[in-house]
Amino acid sequence: AQSVTQLGSHVSVSEGALVLLRCNYSSSVPPYLFWYVQYPNQGLQLLLKYTSAATLVKGINGFEAEFKKSETSFHLTKPSAHMSDAAEYFCAVSGSGGYNKLIFGAGTRLAVHP
Amino acid sequence: EAGVTQSPTHLIKTRGQQATLRCSPISGHTSVYWYQQALGLGLQFLLWYDEGEERNRGNFPPRFSGRQFPNYSSELNVNALELEDSALYLCASSAGQSGSPLHFGNGTRLTVT
Repeated sequence: AQSVTQLGSHVSVSEGALVLLRCNYSSSVPPYLFWYVQYPNQGLQLLLKYTSAATLVKGINGFEAEFKKSETSFHLTKPSAHMSDAAEYFCAVSGSGGYNKLIFGAGTRLAVHP
Repeated sequence: EAGVTQSPTHLIKTRGQQATLRCSPISGHTSVYWYQQALGLGLQFLLWYDEGEERNRGNFPPRFSGRQFPNYSSELNVNALELEDSALYLCASSAGQSGSPLHFGNGTRLTVT
């Protein structure tokens, strides 16, 4: 069975500081991994996805994530936080064979303060 | 290109009533997924439809049901509403290829009083 664990339900950073949101996955098959962002009262927006083409994945809004098989991790980073990055972030895993149902982590709420 | 659209945006029902939520996928997408996002419970998978058929179901009672129409739009029905059904219901669509990301709508906020 596939699962995702996000370490830290709340993360707070200063504007301009590094953002690091942690995600570890469990999967019996090579996984597809995703990060989504949710702003208040909105749906989920895709930030980036890992589909085995490259271990370092660049996404929108300056975010990137690195797939580390040995650590079963897919942490999300951004070098310099902006106030507009404040939102909830979800890591998700899906399987193969056209089975694209996503299993989500519990989410990490990112706060950015001046 | 239009994204995933959901209607209504908000829905208020009383306990015991039925709710119907609607979703139109991105043009060309044949798969539709429904998720429930209840306070404190995260994103829970409800249903997956592809080519008009129910392909997979999450751990929800049978009073949660739905269907997918020939134009790939979808409907989620919740019968005998309970207070704990209050949540944001998110619909997503994807293309059929493995690893295709899900594209989400803005959801329907269901409130059961």
